[in-house]
Amino acid sequence: QVYLVESGGAVVQPGTSLRLSCGASGFTFSSFGMHWVRQAPGKGLEWVAFMWYDGSNKNYADSVKGRFSISRDNSKNTLYLQMNSLRVEDTAVYYCSRGYTGSYYPDYWGQGTLVTVSS
Amino acid sequence: DIQMTQSPSTLSASVGDRVTITCRASQSISSWLAWYQQKPGKAPKLLIYKASNLENGVPSRFSGSGSGTEFTLTISSLQPDDFATYYCQHYNSFSLTFGGGTQVEIK
Repeated sequence: QVYLVESGGAVVQPGTSLRLSCGASGFTFSSFGMHWVRQAPGKGLEWVAFMWYDGSNKNYADSVKGRFSISRDNSKNTLYLQMNSLRVEDTAVYYCSRGYTGSYYPDYWGQGTLVTVSS
Repeated sequence: DIQMTQSPSTLSASVGDRVTITCRASQSISSWLAWYQQKPGKAPKLLIYKASNLENGVPSRFSGSGSGTEFTLTISSLQPDDFATYYCQHYNSFSLTFGGGTQVEIK
């Protein structure tokens, strides 16, 4: 059974930093690309970042480029999202999801972790 | 950048109705399209991938069709468990693009 568990969400002030983690189990983590997707309260889904299975390629949404950084530790089966210079508009539930091999659409999702940016 | 537009944004229907949701891409995306169902407070659930392929375990009343720029998700006979929000999504090897969502409500 595939499990993805996000952690690290918190209430923080604008301009500060936060790191989210996503622990994976039930599959060979090092063989799959991974996404971060977020959802602001009452809004739709927004893709945030993607990293290939081996970390060799990554990509970001324009809204977070230069502020957020995706990384992974395949020895720990963990995906990370370092979020710097946080803005009020970054307030959202952040989901990690597994990209299906070869096609990259998310097939499994975590339960999400809430990040609230407020002064 | 490719834009994904869903219609309608809200749909009111009754149990047993046939429901169709449309998703249009701003340029051709071949069949690189997935559909998800999301219920309040829950993560999205994959229904359809590559435009028309049903994910394992998803009821056969769900179907997807289309290619290029126009796609549809059809629920052949709406069930009580199907009242939710549905998203289309274009995917490639570097990014995802979601449609704005369609909320299916009880009529």
